[in-house]
Amino acid sequence: DQQVKQNSPSLSVQEGRISILNCDYTNSMFDYFLWYKKYPAEGPTFLISISSIKDKNEDGRFTVFLNKSAKHLSLHIVPSQPGDSAVYFCAGHVRVGSGNTGKLIFGQGTTLQVKP
Amino acid sequence: NAGVTQTPKFRVLKTGQSMTLLCAQDMNHEYMYWYRQDPGMGLRLIHYSVGEGTTAKGEVPDGYNVSRLKKQNFLLGLESAAPSQTSVYFCASSSKRSRGLKNITSLRSPQYFGPGTRLTVL
Repeated sequence: DQQVKQNSPSLSVQEGRISILNCDYTNSMFDYFLWYKKYPAEGPTFLISISSIKDKNEDGRFTVFLNKSAKHLSLHIVPSQPGDSAVYFCAGHVRVGSGNTGKLIFGQGTTLQVKP
Repeated sequence: NAGVTQTPKFRVLKTGQSMTLLCAQDMNHEYMYWYRQDPGMGLRLIHYSVGEGTTAKGEVPDGYNVSRLKKQNFLLGLESAAPSQTSVYFCASSSKRSRGLKNITSLRSPQYFGPGTRLTVL
């Protein structure tokens, strides 16, 4: 049961253009969504998040859009830079039981290559 | 401030052997997590801890045990390693932020990850 899906394993864009990474989810209980970036041989690095009650969050070159009715979110990177080449994971956050913590459910990841 | 560190970085085990992976964080975070990453499957939560002395199961806990004896450390143990446990293991931590009278997890508090441990079980 894949609750978070990234259907595109890879994406290639030209430097300076926009990169759009997509993510679909099935679990309506997610209250936040997060994007992580991962370079080879390193751990994932937090990039940006969005609350489930918002439809857009922007941080510099990175913008995340949430379409709750379609259960779809996307990460836009503009302009794309060669240093953005990495694997991008989207994740849904869901509370655990009645406690104050939550857990992340990750998608499979999309490898972005930005060509100079 | 080293963030989240993991020991060892690489390990090769034979089937049936045991080992412990160590995760340490110096950010005074309350919550800690162990994930495994396998090709085409993203990261999956093994176990997590909401505080010293407490642990809970994640999505794929079978074959693993954990302990959180100190706030800054979270240990992942494999008692009898199997080839299916060949994977890259990531530890993460996150903070709990208080709001007013009620302690509420900062839902925007991201999890910070360590560099990973690549484990091969032959």
